[in-house]
Formats: sequence, structure tokens, C-alpha cells
Amino acid sequence: RKEVEQDPGPFNVPEGATVAFNCTYSNSASQSFFWYRQDCRKEPKLLMSVYSSGNEDGRFTAQLNRASQYISLLIRDSKLSDSATYLCAVKLAGGFKTIFGAGTRLFVKA
Amino acid sequence: GAGVSQSPSNKVTEKGKDVELRCDPISGHTALYWYRQRLGQGLEFLIYFQGNSAPDKSGLPSDRFSAERTGESVSTLTIQRTQQEDSAVYLCASSSAILQGTDTQYFGPGTRLTVL
Repeated sequence: RKEVEQDPGPFNVPEGATVAFNCTYSNSASQSFFWYRQDCRKEPKLLMSVYSSGNEDGRFTAQLNRASQYISLLIRDSKLSDSATYLCAVKLAGGFKTIFGAGTRLFVKA
Repeated sequence: GAGVSQSPSNKVTEKGKDVELRCDPISGHTALYWYRQRLGQGLEFLIYFQGNSAPDKSGLPSDRFSAERTGESVSTLTIQRTQQEDSAVYLCASSSAILQGTDTQYFGPGTRLTVL
């Protein structure tokens, strides 16, 4: 089993749709969680960190479920510019190594 | 300010040759990471530097891979006797690591390595 798993997609959604991605992690000692966005042939960029209480940034909402060991990303009112690959990342408590999922591809179409 | 830079942006080499990839982190960032990303895959952790030390090099795939960092700044990833399986994008990231658990990693544009 991979340490961090994501549905590779692709998710094809129309503009304005709401779309959600999940990411599961296997190590219960994981402490820090992140969502990154990666455009085609570009470097990843941090979208948001994921806090225990859940957090929201505009149209984006991230949540953490420690009991079931997954994090989620919800995108509301999808825009064409949201088309990208979304990578989740997990870090162990007190550790340095960050484990990335393989990413979920999203295509938003007009 | 300037972001993370990497050079070269592209490198084509022949199997068996050695290559050096360079990373210039954001000034003042004490933490530096190297990752490998194969086509269509996620990021594979290679090594982490805190200052000039590498407390975690668990991701280096073989002894053909090594990395160093000097002056708490520039880092070089060296791959000896390259193999075709080494073809990938090598990404470097840096962070201020003030709060290790929540540090934001800023990525460079990567070096695309092709081994013929």
C-alpha cells in the first residue's frame, strides 16, 4: 500500500461545478498535511495547508479526518483556471520527509 | 524577491555519464529538499538538508546519487553513471523551516534530465 494515495482522475467538470478530491494516508503518526497545485510541466505550488479544524480559502475548503486517515479538498464554483493536477502531501510528526501523492488531474471545461 | 532557481533547466546525457544538478534556494531558507518526478508520477522525496547537514537522505535511490550543500545556500545533486531509469524532472524546494511541521516549501522550476 502506498503511503499517500489519490485517485488519479481525471475529473472532468463544467465551469461552476463543485468538485471534491480525497487523499488517504497510511501512517497514523502523520501530523502535517498540505494540498499543492501543479500545472502542466510546472513546479508544484502550495495551495493550502490542512488544519485539524478544517480551513477555507475563498472557493477552496480543506478538511482532515484523522480517524479515517484522509484529507479532502473541495473546490466550489470551478473556474477554467482551476484545471491542474492537485497533489496532497503528508509529513510525519517531528520529521522532515514529505510524502506526496501522485496527484489528481482536474479539467474544468466551458 | 527571487525564488528558487535550478540549473540547467534541461540536461540530455548519455548512459554512464555523470551529471550535476544545481539548486539555489531562497535566501535565508535553512531547509532544502530534493525530489524526483517521473512522467505522470508524483514527487519522490530524495533528500533533506537543514543548513549544510542532511539529517534525512533516506530517499536517495542508490549510491550513485549524492548531494551536498554549502554555505547554507547552494546545493548540488550528483548522479553518477546515469541510467535510463534516472530520466525524470528533479525538483528542488526550500523553506524557512521555522515551524517544521507547517513549513511551506517553495519549489524551483526543476531540471529535466534525459538519459539516452
